[in-house]
Amino acid sequence: DGGITQSPKYLFRKEGQNVTLSCEQNLNHDAMYWYRQDPGQGLRLIYYSQIVNDFQKGDIAEGYSVSREKKESFPLTVTSAQKNPTAFYLCASSVGTDHEQYFGPGTRLTVT
Amino acid sequence: KQEVTQIPAALSVPEGENLVLNCSFTDSAIYNLQWFRQDPGKGLTSLLLIQSSQREQTSGRLNASLDKSSGRSTLYIAASQPGDSATYLCAAGSYQLTFGKGTKLSVIP
Repeated sequence: DGGITQSPKYLFRKEGQNVTLSCEQNLNHDAMYWYRQDPGQGLRLIYYSQIVNDFQKGDIAEGYSVSREKKESFPLTVTSAQKNPTAFYLCASSVGTDHEQYFGPGTRLTVT
Repeated sequence: KQEVTQIPAALSVPEGENLVLNCSFTDSAIYNLQWFRQDPGKGLTSLLLIQSSQREQTSGRLNASLDKSSGRSTLYIAASQPGDSATYLCAAGSYQLTFGKGTKLSVIP
């Protein structure tokens, strides 16, 4: 089955700890994205990558870091510098000139 | 900066009714507009994408239109069913999509 996988589905961490969220796609898509979703708000772009070994900041990159060493993988690290890390995190990918985005199932991160 | 607004925030309709969801955006220089569906606690499912050069797209009971000059898009759902109950999101842009907050649709049997 082709698709985007995110693991784990639920993640719990103590304040002050860094945590890495996994995103893998087997769609052979070039571009990958990370979004954050908070209750009552629209999705907000954290980082995106158009090609391997290259990525750009989105609207809310502070306190987050990413890497893109392989085409199929785009992990997101939530650092201790992120002031409000508790949220639903969504990974997406796209291919081609129309940039249609396809989403994974999400990871719900809770930091206490 | 692009802003995307969806009105209403919530909508409840009886089964079988045709309905329209609205999306407006402030910057008409968009590359495309995409409609998504999100079920509670789940990721987004892409429904329709309209490129900036297109006026509408259709998929089954869904029809989406785009009017760049007025900064509006509509999603038309024909003969609504309880299974259509979900939050519908629109997003405008290209690589950097700007999302609306969504319209939560409830279809009552």
